[in-house]
Amino acid sequence: GAGVSQSPRYKVAKRGQDVALRCDPISGHVSLFWYQQALGQGPEFLTYFQNEAQLDKSGLPSDRFFAERPEGSVSTLKIQRTQQEDSAVYLCASTTGNNYGYTFGSGTRLTVV
Amino acid sequence: RKEVEQDPGPFNVPEGATVAFNCTYSNSASQSFFWYRQDCRKEPKLLMSVYSSGNEDGRFTAQLNRASQYISLLIRDSKLSDSATYLCVAHAGNNRKLIWGLGTSLAVNP
Repeated sequence: GAGVSQSPRYKVAKRGQDVALRCDPISGHVSLFWYQQALGQGPEFLTYFQNEAQLDKSGLPSDRFFAERPEGSVSTLKIQRTQQEDSAVYLCASTTGNNYGYTFGSGTRLTVV
Repeated sequence: RKEVEQDPGPFNVPEGATVAFNCTYSNSASQSFFWYRQDCRKEPKLLMSVYSSGNEDGRFTAQLNRASQYISLLIRDSKLSDSATYLCVAHAGNNRKLIWGLGTSLAVNP
């Protein structure tokens, strides 16, 4: 597609439930990022992939968060045993390796109840 | 202290006004800077990159002062459609990670 596609657009999870968020980047974009944006805050870095390699996962808040990009295209962010503090918009962005023209997806709004 | 700091506003200005946003960053290793625009419940979209020489795109002008670690965005002849949150972003290091400010809220009123 022409842009970064994220699904689902909205997700309501019961506390303790596992969720999986999908990101389909722009075709050919080498780099893929996940950010978490809480209400009224700027996005906070979670993790970064270059192709299939996860080069930086320093922003993942706990070991309940796991991300993968096995074939260097689609990425999945998984959150196990969701907690209320996980409620946020999860943004995916991709870019080519040669510039900083990050393109963001529309995000997945996760609400943990 | 956050690495990138902005005045959260809100800035309420009439149509046609000129408004300026400021941003400071603490990491002197930061190499690249950007202004993003984010509409309510939408994803951030790149507005413009910021260069030391300053750059202008229509009604928008961005400036970088490395000595003071300060970035600015000037919007001239503001339009109703400029109402949004403007996020200051710095990039440092080789991991391509972006560091975001909290954003400055702008409301342009008729």
